[in-house]
Amino acid sequence: QKEVEQDPGPLSVPEGAIVSLNCTYSNSAFQYFMWYRQYSRKGPELLMYTYSSGNKEDGRFTAQVDKSSKYISLFIRDSQPSDSATYLCAIPGGSNYKLTFGKGTLLTVNP
Amino acid sequence: EPEVTQTPSHQVTQMGQEVILRCVPISNHLYFYWYRQILGQKVEFLVSFYNNEISEKSEIFDDQFSVERPDGSNFTLKIRSTKLEDSAMYFCATSEGRLSPLHFGNGTRLTVT
Repeated sequence: QKEVEQDPGPLSVPEGAIVSLNCTYSNSAFQYFMWYRQYSRKGPELLMYTYSSGNKEDGRFTAQVDKSSKYISLFIRDSQPSDSATYLCAIPGGSNYKLTFGKGTLLTVNP
Repeated sequence: EPEVTQTPSHQVTQMGQEVILRCVPISNHLYFYWYRQILGQKVEFLVSFYNNEISEKSEIFDDQFSVERPDGSNFTLKIRSTKLEDSAMYFCATSEGRLSPLHFGNGTRLTVT
């Protein structure tokens, strides 16, 4: 079983839609969860960083962690064309907390 | 906002040649990493570096790869004898602490012909 799985999409939504992006993970020892956004030909940019179960909100973005199901989500409210990018979930693990990434979901928000 | 800077943005090299990819970390960051992303695939960990030594490396990071911080500022990744399959985006990332989020540079696109 792969450590972090993410539906690669692509996902296309109209402007203003609510977007839901998801990842599952296999290692119950994982405690920190991150979402990165990657624009074309750019490096991953940290979007959200959460620890433990529950929700964390930052503006239009909400990160949700369900440790019992090993499931993490990122919700984007009132999506904008500028949100069009690849969204990567990333989970640090191991003694040096190296990041294991999901494959990324390509999101397009159409004006 | 401080950022991680990588040079060059694009490097084309012939198979068997040596390449050095460079990274300037954010100034107060202590942990340094290299990741790579082959086209269409996941971002994958190569190596972590702390206190002037490698703290962890992946199976990909074989004897052809090396890292160093020669002058206390630049952090470099050297590939001694490049192969076609080394073609990828290489990202440098740095963090303040072991549990701190990573900040990535914009990558070097390496093309091996």
